[in-house]
Amino acid sequence: EAQVTQNPRYLITVTGKKLTVTCSQNMNHEYMSWYRQDPGLGLRQIYYSMNVEVTDKGDVPEGYKVSRKEKRNFPLILESPSPNQTSLYFCASSLSGGLYGYTFGSGTRLTVV
Amino acid sequence: SQQGEEDPQALSIQEGENATMNCSYKTSINNLQWYRQNSGRGLVHLILIRSNEREKHSGRLRVTLDTSKKSSSLLITASRAADTASYFCATRFGGGTSYGKLTFGQGTILTVHP
Repeated sequence: EAQVTQNPRYLITVTGKKLTVTCSQNMNHEYMSWYRQDPGLGLRQIYYSMNVEVTDKGDVPEGYKVSRKEKRNFPLILESPSPNQTSLYFCASSLSGGLYGYTFGSGTRLTVV
Repeated sequence: SQQGEEDPQALSIQEGENATMNCSYKTSINNLQWYRQNSGRGLVHLILIRSNEREKHSGRLRVTLDTSKKSSSLLITASRAADTASYFCATRFGGGTSYGKLTFGQGTILTVHP
């Protein structure tokens, strides 16, 4: 089944403790992206990647890192999480960003206390 | 900043009725896409309409695009309780530094009562 898999689904962590949210797609998509969704603010893009080793900042990249060493994986790293990063996170992939529909993962609900 | 703005913010209808949601945007686009999100779940791609298209159908969905008014509408015909969800429009700019980026609106919350 074609899908984007995110892990974990839920995560509660403490301020400053480094964490990684994994994202993997099995569709050989070139384009991958991370979004965060917050009430009243909608979906905002954090980082995106057009291909292996090619990444760029979205609208709200501060406090996040990404890497794209393999085509299928695009992990989101929070080196020192803070409470304002409490949010619902989505990974998405596409054949070619924006020209085709995105396939979204099921989301990761992160709480930073 | 949000490129697409949906209207209404919330819509409540009875099963069997049609639901119409609108999306307005500010700048020229390459395409416009509609997505559905069930509560707290991932978004599901519904339909993509390119800037040179005026109307597109997919099952009970009908999407129109008016580039002169910078607006789009999503019509769900003969709605079902299972259509209850949030619906988002997303726009893709022509390229440049925004290459590949989809910008999402705030969404319309649709509730279909059985």
